[in-house]
Amino acid sequence: AQKVTQAQTEISVVEKEDVTLDCVYETRDTTYYLFWYKQPPSGELVFLIRRNSFDEQNEISGRYSWNFQKSTSSFNFTITASQVVDSAVYFCALSQRNTGNQFYFGTGTSLTVIP
Amino acid sequence: GAVVSQHPSRVICKSGTSVKIECRSLDFQATTMFWYRQFPKQSLMLMATSNEGSKATYEQGVEKDKFLINHASLTLSTLTVTSAHPEDSSFYICSAPGALGANQPQHFGDGTRLSIL
Repeated sequence: AQKVTQAQTEISVVEKEDVTLDCVYETRDTTYYLFWYKQPPSGELVFLIRRNSFDEQNEISGRYSWNFQKSTSSFNFTITASQVVDSAVYFCALSQRNTGNQFYFGTGTSLTVIP
Repeated sequence: GAVVSQHPSRVICKSGTSVKIECRSLDFQATTMFWYRQFPKQSLMLMATSNEGSKATYEQGVEKDKFLINHASLTLSTLTVTSAHPEDSSFYICSAPGALGANQPQHFGDGTRLSIL
């Protein structure tokens, strides 16, 4: 069965600290896709990144970076030099080739960046 | 980029009222849309898959007669919460993929915060 686990429910960091949000997934499909979304207090979901199961190359985008490791079924998200505007709930999600566009969301990690 | 518009953003109404929420894809066609419900400090739970021109597919435990879904065109899906009660108070979010395929990110509406008094 497919499943996404975000073990960290809430994290608080002081501004400018680095923070890593963990995501562990389960799937039996060999072709799958992993996503991260940000949900600020206003509620909308903002797409951050997509990764496919065949590409384990890590990615960096500004202060954001993602570490995809198939060996541990993890897709972790790191924010470098955190800022107050990073405060939000972050969701990791999985989709699989055999279930099309359907997403499976993790429970989310609430990040608070303290000024 | 692809945009999904959801309306209204907030509804406050009395118990027993039926509430309609609209989800529109603004610059692309969406044969499939998804409806989620999110309780405070919880994840998004898929309620149903809305299919253009055919019946919606509901997740286990979601009452079809309570949450009516209509997907009459390639750009519009509606969710009607019939005879809403306080326990239906939640944040409802729709999404649509920019294209079919598991590799497509979902484009989300801004959500509807429903409060039933």
